[in-house]
Amino acid sequence: NAGVTQTPKFQVLKTGQSMTLQCAQDMNHNSMYWYRQDPGMGLRLIYYSASEGTTDKGEVPNGYNVSRLNKREFSLRLESAAPSQTSVYFCASMRLAGGFISTDTQYFGPGTRLTVL
Amino acid sequence: AQTVTQSQPEMSVQEAETVTLSCTYDTSESDYYLFWYKQPPSRQMILVIRQEAYKQQNATENRFSVNFQKAAKSFSLKISDSQLGDAAMYFCAYRGTTSGTYKYIFGTGTRLKVLA
Repeated sequence: NAGVTQTPKFQVLKTGQSMTLQCAQDMNHNSMYWYRQDPGMGLRLIYYSASEGTTDKGEVPNGYNVSRLNKREFSLRLESAAPSQTSVYFCASMRLAGGFISTDTQYFGPGTRLTVL
Repeated sequence: AQTVTQSQPEMSVQEAETVTLSCTYDTSESDYYLFWYKQPPSRQMILVIRQEAYKQQNATENRFSVNFQKAAKSFSLKISDSQLGDAAMYFCAYRGTTSGTYKYIFGTGTRLKVLA
């Protein structure tokens, strides 16, 4: 049981290049999330997927696209990378057992450090 | 919109002593969850403790406990008998329970240094 895995761990891009960050979870969780972490700003939600087949924008979606490929996988794509997208990216997942009240907790992957030159 | 504020960018504590990290939040919801996450230098986000707003009793996990003041919208983390391994960034987070709300809102974090 690996939990939440992310690839790659590190990546350097040039401005204008594209890339996809991969995330997979093996906990049979329903919802998945992408965050970015910048110094002094905590974690900010980019996109999330409440369930397979659905995706929604978070706080900072501009410049990103996502795909919920199946229940296990949720990818984040940068179509034309910009220096402002230099950050650490975290994927997370949560079971979300249903109902309005749930004690489920988010579990995080190890992060991807992305540098855009 | 909900907000989470951590007003202490950095704190220091002597090994074996007790330290309290502050967190305040703003919400109009009556039911919600609050969390403290630890992020060591490895960058891994680790859940430390969770509090359900409908529970009056403060959550406790070994050396970690919270002081949850719902009326004041305050959620502080107390670390007792601090250890060198407690050194990390600590994030306070909020999650609402409104139907369709699956998002977490994080504070900006507090860096905890533990002095030997």
